[in-house]
Amino acid sequence: DQQVKQNSPSLSVQEGRISILNCDYTNSMFDYFLWYKKYPAEGPTFLISISSIKDKNEDGRFTVFLNKSAKHLSLHIVPSQPGDSAVYFCAASRDSGGGADGLTFGKGTHLIIQP
Amino acid sequence: DTGVSQDPRHKITKRGQNVTFRCDPISEHNRLYWYRQTLGQGPEFLTYFQNEAQLEKSRLLSDRFSAERPKGSFSTLEIQRTEQGDSAMYLCASNRGSNEKLFFGSGTQLSVL
Repeated sequence: DQQVKQNSPSLSVQEGRISILNCDYTNSMFDYFLWYKKYPAEGPTFLISISSIKDKNEDGRFTVFLNKSAKHLSLHIVPSQPGDSAVYFCAASRDSGGGADGLTFGKGTHLIIQP
Repeated sequence: DTGVSQDPRHKITKRGQNVTFRCDPISEHNRLYWYRQTLGQGPEFLTYFQNEAQLEKSRLLSDRFSAERPKGSFSTLEIQRTEQGDSAMYLCASNRGSNEKLFFGSGTQLSVL
């Protein structure tokens, strides 16, 4: 049973436009949500996070929105740049540091930014 | 900050052989994690250390998998009697504790023939 779901395996967006990546979760015990970015042959790199007491967190071009009642979060990238092309993983945890339960990851969405 | 280091980057082995991977976390990080990632999937949590204590190991995939962190610094992950299904990327991560993001290494890609 997948507790974190990313239903779009891939997404193609034109450079300069907005990229919206979606994530759904089923475990109401999750308290902390993160987005990681992964390039081929590298480990995941932390991008942005949000705790369950907030509904929005912004860092430069990246904004994460959390809708707790819908158990849904989304990552917005504005404007999209060619270097944003990568696989994006949504992750969730009961402990913001990863803790004894670790992070639960979705399957990822491959974002392709078209010139 | 040299980042999380993993060795080797790639390992090819024959079915039935034992393999061991090493992870060197960021030096001041007392928490260390192992994850496995198979093709088309996200990383899957395996085990977690706080200093030298292994606080969670029930998620290790079978009793063929074991991990150690003897002095609370580097860690090793061993897979005994490898099977083709063990082929995956094995990722190590570390952090200083609660409210700290995880820093991942580049992983060890295991291929079992």
